[in-house]
Amino acid sequence: AQSVTQLDSHVSVSEGTPVLLRCNYSSSYSPSLFWYVQHPNKGLQLLLKYTSAATLVKGINGFEAEFKKSETSFHLTKPSAHMSDAAEYFCVVFSSGNTGKLIFGQGTTLQVKP
Amino acid sequence: NAGVTQTPKFRVLKTGQSMTLLCAQDMNHEYMYWYRQDPGMGLRLIHYSVGEGTTAKGEVPDGYNVSRLKKQNFLLGLESAAPSQTSVYFCASRDALSYEQYFGPGTRLTVT
Repeated sequence: AQSVTQLDSHVSVSEGTPVLLRCNYSSSYSPSLFWYVQHPNKGLQLLLKYTSAATLVKGINGFEAEFKKSETSFHLTKPSAHMSDAAEYFCVVFSSGNTGKLIFGQGTTLQVKP
Repeated sequence: NAGVTQTPKFRVLKTGQSMTLLCAQDMNHEYMYWYRQDPGMGLRLIHYSVGEGTTAKGEVPDGYNVSRLKKQNFLLGLESAAPSQTSVYFCASRDALSYEQYFGPGTRLTVT
């Protein structure tokens, strides 16, 4: 069975400092992984996706994530946080098979302090 | 091109009432999904459809029914609402050849 675990439920950073949101996955084969962002009272927006191409994936708004098979991790990073980055972030794995469903982590709330 | 739309955006129900949530997509996607989002639990799959006229159960199907009579629409029904169904409901769709799902803006449902 596939699963994702987001290691922090809440992360707080100061504006202009780096962001690290941690995600570990469990999968018996090479997974497809995503990061989605949800701003308050909004829908979900795709930040970036990994589908077995380059292990360093660049997304929108300066975010990137690195797929590390040896560590079963897919951590999300950004060099410099902006106030507009404050949101909830979900690490997601694509479940193969007929459903094609997404399996979501529990979410990490990112707080950005001025 | 509106993408994925959901109707209504907000709703308050009393226990025992029924309602239907409508999801519509204009991308000609085969697959459609209904999720519910609860604090600290991410999104959980309620039901899904792999094509017009087909539906299947997800992780948390109890208390819900769905129908996919037209390819572009996916309806989620609550026959007898319960307070435990208070949640934010998201619809999503995807193309058969892609992993990426496109989400609607959500419906916030409160059952009192």
